[in-house]
Amino acid sequence: AQSVTQPDIHITVSEGASLELRCNYSYGATPYLFWYVQSPGQGLQLLLKYFSGDTLVQGIKGFEAEFKRSQSSFNLRKPSVHWSDAAEYFCAVGAGDYKLSFGAGTTVTVRA
Amino acid sequence: DAGITQSPRHKVTETGTPVTLRCHQTENHRYMYWYRQDPGHGLRLIHYSYGVKDTDKGEVSDGYSVSRSKTEDFLLTLESATSSQTSVYFCAISESRISYEQYFGPGTRLTVT
Repeated sequence: AQSVTQPDIHITVSEGASLELRCNYSYGATPYLFWYVQSPGQGLQLLLKYFSGDTLVQGIKGFEAEFKRSQSSFNLRKPSVHWSDAAEYFCAVGAGDYKLSFGAGTTVTVRA
Repeated sequence: DAGITQSPRHKVTETGTPVTLRCHQTENHRYMYWYRQDPGHGLRLIHYSYGVKDTDKGEVSDGYSVSRSKTEDFLLTLESATSSQTSVYFCAISESRISYEQYFGPGTRLTVT
């Protein structure tokens, strides 16, 4: 079965600074990859997804993610964070059994 | 946003009582899922449905049952609630399981005292 690791439990970033969230997965082939964001008290919103093709994918809210097969990674980036980006971010992987596996999440705090 | 509602949004119940959570969708999607979210664990799949009356277990199904009598409704029942089932429960829907793309409801916060 596939697994997903988000190494950073909590990241604090200054408003206007860049943000990178890490996601690593274990699976033999190329999985389907997703990033979701959860604002406090809300459900999960799909930020972006990767199935195949161009390894750099653009999502909503100015986020992008890059798939690196050699590193089994799918890291999420944003060049300049806004206070509204404070949230919890989840990486998810779909592979082989038609179910999503989620990482434990990374909480992002944005300081003024 | 996908048309998914969950009810109730908050519930406090006592140990040993049965509890039913409802997920309602207006997207006519075939696949529906129930997850629980706990700190440090992300989301874990409880049960899922691939059509009316067709359901299957996820990774944390013990103590939970589900039913789907209509395309739009997916019910999660805790037969006899325990404190370990205190959690936030999310419903998700998907048009195609092959794409793995799921859309989530707003969640239900359940506290078992």
